[in-house]
Amino acid sequence: GAVVSQHPSRVICKSGTSVKIECRSLDFQATTMFWYRQFPKQSLMLMATSNEGSKATYEQGVEKDKFLINHASLTLSTLTVTSAHPEDSSFYICSVRPNTEAFFGQGTRLTVV
Amino acid sequence: AQSVTQPDIHITVSEGASLELRCNYSYGATPYLFWYVQSPGQGLQLLLKYFSGDTLVQGIKGFEAEFKRSQSSFNLRKPSVHWSDAAEYFCAVGDGGYNKLIFGAGTRLAVHP
Repeated sequence: GAVVSQHPSRVICKSGTSVKIECRSLDFQATTMFWYRQFPKQSLMLMATSNEGSKATYEQGVEKDKFLINHASLTLSTLTVTSAHPEDSSFYICSVRPNTEAFFGQGTRLTVV
Repeated sequence: AQSVTQPDIHITVSEGASLELRCNYSYGATPYLFWYVQSPGQGLQLLLKYFSGDTLVQGIKGFEAEFKRSQSSFNLRKPSVHWSDAAEYFCAVGDGGYNKLIFGAGTRLAVHP
């Protein structure tokens, strides 16, 4: 299966600052990557689909100007939370789906103080 | 609309007891069904998947699931639970391609010694 690496695993940032989360597909060239968000004790909600070389596709209700996604290469997608606020504190997980099965990164715990 | 329902938010069982976690789905096309397990602060690990063929599928860690088309269900079972099985379990549905998965709300499993 595909190996997906996320960095950082944990990050604490001040309110109003921006934070970047990286998602790397280590052994698979991913033209598409998925970004999920998970609030405590809740399920994974898809935020956006990252497309290599083109604009990301955002789910309804997700602010594209706040959650900037860049998929500049076949192995790297980044999610930047801009002007972070405490309500953005969450667990962010990326995923690739090279075949019918999906593989997930280990997630990034973002805490905005 | 496409959706996954996991009716049980929280389940507690005794170690050694049997387990069944329920999952119902609504999907317009041929469903590809998955069960994932998530330990606290971690990414998701695939337990098993169903695409076609035998409706009873075996997974890792002694888990199995049965696909019942007539009931739109894909329940997860384990004959004897171990304390290490305590985690969050997610049922998910997707298409046969490379698109997003839709997750249920999850079931949190606690195991008493």
